[in-house]
Amino acid sequence: GAVVSQHPSWVICKSGTSVKIECRSLDFQATTMFWYRQFPKQSLMLMATSNEGSKATYEQGVEKDKFLINHASLTLSTLTVTSAHPEDSSFYICSASQSSWDNEQFFGPGTRLTVL
Amino acid sequence: AQTVTQSQPEMSVQEAETVTLSCTYDTSESDYYLFWYKQPPSRQMILVIRQEAYKQQNATENRFSVNFQKAAKSFSLKISDSQLGDAAMYFCAYRRLGNQFYFGTGTSLTVIP
Repeated sequence: GAVVSQHPSWVICKSGTSVKIECRSLDFQATTMFWYRQFPKQSLMLMATSNEGSKATYEQGVEKDKFLINHASLTLSTLTVTSAHPEDSSFYICSASQSSWDNEQFFGPGTRLTVL
Repeated sequence: AQTVTQSQPEMSVQEAETVTLSCTYDTSESDYYLFWYKQPPSRQMILVIRQEAYKQQNATENRFSVNFQKAAKSFSLKISDSQLGDAAMYFCAYRRLGNQFYFGTGTSLTVIP
């Protein structure tokens, strides 16, 4: 089956630093990747949709300058949280689809970010 | 924007019994997809079952089945012969082709031995 990995699985950083999270599709080419944020006991909130080779589309209320998304290849997308603050602490999940018209997405295992 | 509503924050079921999780959604589209995802304590999202809106027949995957009522915009999940491993958060999700996914708020399912 389709496998999506995320690295790191957890990270602790100091306030003001930047953190990069990688999302990789291991056995398929992912034209489209999604980045979600999930607070404890809450649902997944879509942050942005990225298509390989083009700029990400951010959801309303998500600061694109703070959450930088790069989807430079068909197997890798990165989310960089710039100048992280404690309120950015959350669980970040990526998912990948083979195309924007594919009705299924495959989820990564998530990354827990804690900002001190 | 599309909305997905799960009105049951928590549910419990006795092992080997049957439980039904509710989901309603709001859309003006006629062609779309509906999903149930399971999120166990590991936080890994796992697809349980999916339904194409153009199909009248309810989807079934082993012990999991759905009751899809398109006119009522209802998409409930039935878990038969519940097992301890079924304990998890369950999210209902909607997607229009070529568009993003919308998730419900989730239902936490407890399975009682």
